[in-house]
Amino acid sequence: DQQVKQNSPSLSVQEGRISILNCDYTNSMFDYFLWYKKYPAEGPTFLISISSIKDKNEDGRFTVFLNKSAKHLSLHIVPSQPGDSAVYFCAASAQGGSEKLVFGKGTKLTVNP
Amino acid sequence: DAMVIQNPRYQVTQFGKPVTLSCSQTLNHNVMYWYQQKSSQAPKLLFHYYDKDFNNEADTPDNFQSRRPNTSFCFLDIRSPGLGDAAMYLCATSGLLRSEAFFGQGTRLTVV
Repeated sequence: DQQVKQNSPSLSVQEGRISILNCDYTNSMFDYFLWYKKYPAEGPTFLISISSIKDKNEDGRFTVFLNKSAKHLSLHIVPSQPGDSAVYFCAASAQGGSEKLVFGKGTKLTVNP
Repeated sequence: DAMVIQNPRYQVTQFGKPVTLSCSQTLNHNVMYWYQQKSSQAPKLLFHYYDKDFNNEADTPDNFQSRRPNTSFCFLDIRSPGLGDAAMYLCATSGLLRSEAFFGQGTRLTVV
């Protein structure tokens, strides 16, 4: 039973355009959401997070949007750069901390020059 | 500077031969986790330590054990590796009140 779902295994965009990565969740107890980025042969690195008290959080080119009623969040990358090519994992926590992170399967983003 | 270090990066073990993976951290974080990630799958939490308190996930096989002798180190022991245990094993840490976990580079385990 997957509580965090990333339904698109892959996404390809042109450099300079917007990348939109989507994530859905089923557990209404989740109150903290994170995005991680993973390059091949490396561990995931934290990218950006959002608490359920907010609906948007922005950090440079990265913005995460949260729609609690739809149990949906998305990561926007604008403008996309070739170095953004990686696997992006959505993760959620039910306790406000990362004590128990539940991950999605990831979306592989390819940004073409 | 690496903050969460996993050794070795690649480990090949024989079917049924016990193997230990190690993780160390320089962040002085109280929480340490072990995740298993198989190809194209989500990282799956095996267990975590909250200080010295060990928390096992309900569906973690008994074949997997862990030790945390001090704050800095944590070990994953696989008592009798099977072919299905081949995976990337990720160690991560977080502070008590921090919301983000810091991951090591992972250990790729191959079972032959």
